[in-house]
Amino acid sequence: EAGVAQSPRYKIIEKRQSVAFWCNPISGHATLYWYQQILGQGPKLLIQFQNNGVVDDSQLPKDRFSAERLKGVDSTLKIQPAKLEDSAVYLCASSPNRGGGRARETQYFGPGTRLLVL
Amino acid sequence: AQKITQTQPGMFVQEKEAVTLDCTYDTSDPSYGLFWYKQPSSGEMIFLIYQGSYDQQNATEGRYSLNFQKARKSANLVISASQLGDSAMYFCAMRETQGGSEKLVFGKGMKLTVNP
Repeated sequence: EAGVAQSPRYKIIEKRQSVAFWCNPISGHATLYWYQQILGQGPKLLIQFQNNGVVDDSQLPKDRFSAERLKGVDSTLKIQPAKLEDSAVYLCASSPNRGGGRARETQYFGPGTRLLVL
Repeated sequence: AQKITQTQPGMFVQEKEAVTLDCTYDTSDPSYGLFWYKQPSSGEMIFLIYQGSYDQQNATEGRYSLNFQKARKSANLVISASQLGDSAMYFCAMRETQGGSEKLVFGKGMKLTVNP
């Protein structure tokens, strides 16, 4: 079974530029997550999709960040314009999330995109 | 308030020895889940082990076991017979359920180095 795919793996941009990240979850996984992991910290959830609907985007800086999951499969995360503090690893994860109290379902993470804003 | 606390910034262990990584958590929910992930230098988060709040026994997965002490709100990861490939960052996480969404809240992580 193929894992979560992300691209690009690395990106360097200057502040005020825009950037987009792409994620392809594990086939059949209904739930997709985007996390931001700043150096020295644990991942922080930015946005969660259930199929193609947003479930939680409470920690997404909506003035500059946007995300979509068209057709309930692939997802893109965009930053426009980027700031220095956006330098981080952006992790995408997916889970089956079949509900019904399946408490042991974990999230499967992709390799991440390392963003450096200069 | 910090919900997941990992106080050890780094640990060193000799190959083949056992090591315990500490994690304490804070929640008022009676039902919750605790996870441990490994993050090697490649950056991918790798799921290691899960403990449910109502599980009667401590979770085990191969060389990984979880020392779950509910009253003390701790969920320490024990790695037996350390291997060089165990050198990585380790994150403890708790699943939160709010308004129909489930999300993981991570600790700051700790770095484990296994010496030959």
